Amino acid sequence: SQELEQSPQSLIVQEGKNLTINCTSSKTLYGLYWYKQKYGEGLIFLMMLQKGGEEKSHEKITAKLDEKKQQSSLHITASQPSHAGIYLCGADAPVYNQGGKLIFGQGTELSVKP
Amino acid sequence: DVKVTQSSRYLVKRTGEKVFLECVQDMDHENMFWYRQDPGLGLRLIYFSYDVKMKEKGDIPEGYSVSREKKERFSLILESASTNQTSMYLCASSLTTGTGYYNEQFFGPGTRLTVL
Repeated sequence: SQELEQSPQSLIVQEGKNLTINCTSSKTLYGLYWYKQKYGEGLIFLMMLQKGGEEKSHEKITAKLDEKKQQSSLHITASQPSHAGIYLCGADAPVYNQGGKLIFGQGTELSVKP
Repeated sequence: DVKVTQSSRYLVKRTGEKVFLECVQDMDHENMFWYRQDPGLGLRLIYFSYDVKMKEKGDIPEGYSVSREKKERFSLILESASTNQTSMYLCASSLTTGTGYYNEQFFGPGTRLTVL
């Protein structure tokens, strides 16, 4: 079965610093989703990547899917306290996926020190 | 604005009680999901449903059941709550798609359940 591993598991950065979170899959990724979760709340969709080499940006957050489609990175530029939370990657199952199941990584907890 | 709502944000129950967690979506989505989230374990799928009255087990269905009598509503039932079911429960929904299509899931705010 497919597994997603995120690194690091937790991260503390000074406000204004850049950071990167990685999501590595044990199998080829057909669709990779990044979500953000504020503490004690539901997940908010950030962006979705499908094609190898694809890169998308939303405000100061950029996500990329590598050419081999087995790893994605999420990069935050000039971090702010509002970026704090848990970031999760999710992936489509590699075979026909009735019901649209996603597999999730364990999450990366980001703290931003003012 | 798309919306997934869950019946309670916080719930405290006693061991052995029957617990109902309700989830409603207003997006006419075919698929609905129940996850639990625990520190260090990420999101784990309990059950999902791809149509009314249809249900499929996820990765950790033991101790849970579900009901989907209407398209917009998906209920998670803990038949006899136990302390190891203390967790954050998240509901999500998505449109039906095939391989290689967009499967974005929309999540509710979560229910933090404590079983004493």
